[in-house]
Amino acid sequence: SQKIEQNSEALNIQEGKTATLTCNYTNYSPAYLQWYRQDPGRGPVFLLLIRENEKEKRKERLKVTFDTTLKQSLFHITASQPADSATYLCALDRFKAAGNKLTFGGGTRVLVKP
Amino acid sequence: ETGVTQTPRHLVMGMTNKKSLKCEQHLGHNAMYWYKQSAKKPLELMFVYSLEERVENNSVPSRFSPECPNSSHLFLHLHTLQPEDSALYLCASSLGDEQFFGPGTRLTVL
Repeated sequence: SQKIEQNSEALNIQEGKTATLTCNYTNYSPAYLQWYRQDPGRGPVFLLLIRENEKEKRKERLKVTFDTTLKQSLFHITASQPADSATYLCALDRFKAAGNKLTFGGGTRVLVKP
Repeated sequence: ETGVTQTPRHLVMGMTNKKSLKCEQHLGHNAMYWYKQSAKKPLELMFVYSLEERVENNSVPSRFSPECPNSSHLFLHLHTLQPEDSALYLCASSLGDEQFFGPGTRLTVL
């Protein structure tokens, strides 16, 4: 069966350090993978998308890698700040021409301590 | 704010009630989605509309009935729900690959 796994344990990290989150998947061949941020009681907010032919993507303090051989994506928050505290979700596509059908992982909660 | 609005933000209903959730976007997006987010479970895709045509129904019980009258509006009609249907219901829209989510409706079924 298809599965997307993210570390369900919260990640506690000191301000200024790099937070690294993993997203592993099985029985998928995604065209791309996305990362979202979700704050309590709010909808997810898109952060980054990385395609299957890309190894790495960066946006400000965020970096995503995608290894289709290992079936894994790593999400890094460098120079972390307390404002980065949130739950981070990875999502894979089941791309078809009509609408992007995403399947989400369970998310990893990050707590950045000052 | 993402530009996707949902009403109501909170809803409490009995199992015999009929209610509707509303989602609206004026971003020019051509696809809209309903997701369910239960405690301790991943976001679950329920329905997808593309160009106002339903293109996905993810084995959702018939007590949930979606409606997409135009590209800017999406409804989820609810009737004879069960307590296990209590969850956060999220609407999203897209034009390209990224999806823009609304704030959600927190639904409690008594």
